[in-house]
Amino acid sequence: AQKVTQAQTEISVVEKEDVTLDCVYETRDTTYYLFWYKQPPSGELVFLIRRNSFDEQNEISGRYSWNFQKSTSSFNFTITASQVVDSAVYFCALNDYNTDKLIFGTGTRLQVFP
Amino acid sequence: EAGVTQFPSHSVIEKGQTVTLRCDPISGHDNLYWYRRVMGKEIKFLLHFVKESKQDESGMPNNRFLAERTGGTYSTLKVQPAELEDSGVYFCASSHPSSGSPDTQYFGPGTRLTVL
Repeated sequence: AQKVTQAQTEISVVEKEDVTLDCVYETRDTTYYLFWYKQPPSGELVFLIRRNSFDEQNEISGRYSWNFQKSTSSFNFTITASQVVDSAVYFCALNDYNTDKLIFGTGTRLQVFP
Repeated sequence: EAGVTQFPSHSVIEKGQTVTLRCDPISGHDNLYWYRRVMGKEIKFLLHFVKESKQDESGMPNNRFLAERTGGTYSTLKVQPAELEDSGVYFCASSHPSSGSPDTQYFGPGTRLTVL
């Protein structure tokens, strides 16, 4: 069965600290896609990144970076020099290639204090 | 370009009543999805429309839930009669027509449903 695990329920950091959000996934598919979404206090789910299983290059976008490692089935997300505006719930998700639905983890609540 | 919109943002109803949630996808997006997050748990898939057709409704909890997408534009999700366990946040998402690989799903702000 396909599954996404976000073991960290809540993380608190002080502004300017670096923080890594963990995501571990399970799938039998050889082709799959992984996603990260951010849910700020306003409630909407904001798309951050999409990664396919054939592309293991790490990605950097400003203060955000993602580390995809197939060997450990992990797709971790790092925020460098965190800011208060980064406070949100972050969801990792796996796309079921056959049905197109997203399988989500339970989310990690990040609180960044000034 | 307008994003996915959902109405209402909040709904509080009594057990046994009926509620209808609405989702307007991004213009031109043939794929429309409904998901639900029950408090503290993961976001779970409910169903998937391609235009007006139900592609996958494997996540629908039971026959008290009815989703429609007449004309392939907006969609409604009706819960009748509502039960306490239906409380949660209902998200709608849309994506471009698939061309072999799944496209990114863009989500709306959700409807928070509370059944008392």
